[in-house]
Amino acid sequence: AQTVTQSQPEMSVQEAETVTLSCTYDTSESDYYLFWYKQPPSRQMILVIRQEAYKQQNATENRFSVNFQKAAKSFSLKISDSQLGDAAMYFCAYRRTNAGGTSYGKLTFGQGTILTVHP
Amino acid sequence: NAGVMQNPRHLVRRRGQEARLRCSPMKGHSHVYWYRQLPEEGLKFMVYLQKENIIDESGMPKERFSAEFPKEGPSILRIQQVVRGDSAAYFCASSPWEGQGRTEAFFGQGTRLTVV
Repeated sequence: AQTVTQSQPEMSVQEAETVTLSCTYDTSESDYYLFWYKQPPSRQMILVIRQEAYKQQNATENRFSVNFQKAAKSFSLKISDSQLGDAAMYFCAYRRTNAGGTSYGKLTFGQGTILTVHP
Repeated sequence: NAGVMQNPRHLVRRRGQEARLRCSPMKGHSHVYWYRQLPEEGLKFMVYLQKENIIDESGMPKERFSAEFPKEGPSILRIQQVVRGDSAAYFCASSPWEGQGRTEAFFGQGTRLTVV
């Protein structure tokens, strides 16, 4: 079974600084998707960024970027120029690709990292 | 295009009562997933449904929990004879047919169930 581990229960950063959230995962599959989700106090799950395992290039979305190390099974999230609105719980998630043509969108989540942004 | 709609947002039930949580997927989405989030924890997969079919219920407790996604209407997660340990936030997510090449699941805002 796949597992996702976030070893940092809490992180903090000063506004405008950069912070990196860690995530490792375990899988025997070679092709899969990885995601970072943000959950603010409203509880809404917001997709921040996604990475397809077959792509070597790290995904980037504005101030958010990932460092995807497939061999090490590591998938960290870097937030640049941190803003107060970035404060939230962040979840790393894994999802397998299609298996035998059958869609399978189940996500396996890590435990989450609470990010605090200081003004 | 409205997002994934869950209702109610908050639900309070006494021990032994039934809880019924509803999820209307995004328009055009035929796949629904239910997750449970206990306090201070990540989301845990419960069940995956397509219209009129349960595809994977490996995360569902063996007793008291059931889910359906009928041909018409929302998906329903039903918890019978609730206990305090069922108190959690329950999230629904939907996605379109994977054959369209989309990989993203869209989440609702969740239903917070409190059992008193």
